[in-house]
Amino acid sequence: DADVTQTPRNRITKTGKRIMLECSQTKGHDRMYWYRQDPGLGLRLIYYSFDVKDINKGEISDGYSVSRQAQAKFSLSLESAIPNQTALYFCATSDSGAGDRNTIYFGEGSWLTVV
Amino acid sequence: AQSVTQLDSHVSVSEGTPVLLRCNYSSSYSPSLFWYVQHPNKGLQLLLKYTSAATLVKGINGFEAEFKKSETSFHLTKPSAHMSDAAEYFCVVSGPTSGTYKYIFGTGTRLKVLA
Repeated sequence: DADVTQTPRNRITKTGKRIMLECSQTKGHDRMYWYRQDPGLGLRLIYYSFDVKDINKGEISDGYSVSRQAQAKFSLSLESAIPNQTALYFCATSDSGAGDRNTIYFGEGSWLTVV
Repeated sequence: AQSVTQLDSHVSVSEGTPVLLRCNYSSSYSPSLFWYVQHPNKGLQLLLKYTSAATLVKGINGFEAEFKKSETSFHLTKPSAHMSDAAEYFCVVSGPTSGTYKYIFGTGTRLKVLA
């Protein structure tokens, strides 16, 4: 089983609909992240959470919200989806020790298409 | 603040020839640097990382990278390309930003391996 699991893996939704992407991890890490990948732009950080009571905006948080339901669960919501939110979304985790030296681990991604 | 630049968006090599994927970084601190690989429809997998120990870092699948502080570079190399190396590669820098640690991704280099 994957250490970082994202559901759904693929979703097509209509403009204006609310959509939630869920992430769970079995690595026991404190830190969780949501990234968005667009061709030619690399990965951009949407939100991150360093523990259950800590939620922080990333560089492109507008139009998104998150919930850290437990140490192992971090969900991303699009309150009212729009076509330019069509992208590949990644959940990731990292440990809190050793600061920036920790490897970040990724789920397999969730393809979201907004029509 | 940190930044990372991948100098080539696409690289094509013939099977059995060397691979060079170039990455330059900018950091106010001594950074941690990573290379990740993404195969189609997959998440990102860690190839190798530099965390201020040996400047020549060996990773999985025969890849290695050399940290050169004077050139602010962390290029990824492999002596002999294999068809299975065809994928997208991301250079990542990590370090303190605004009181916390952030992972900054390059825009990616797509490697094509020709038979």
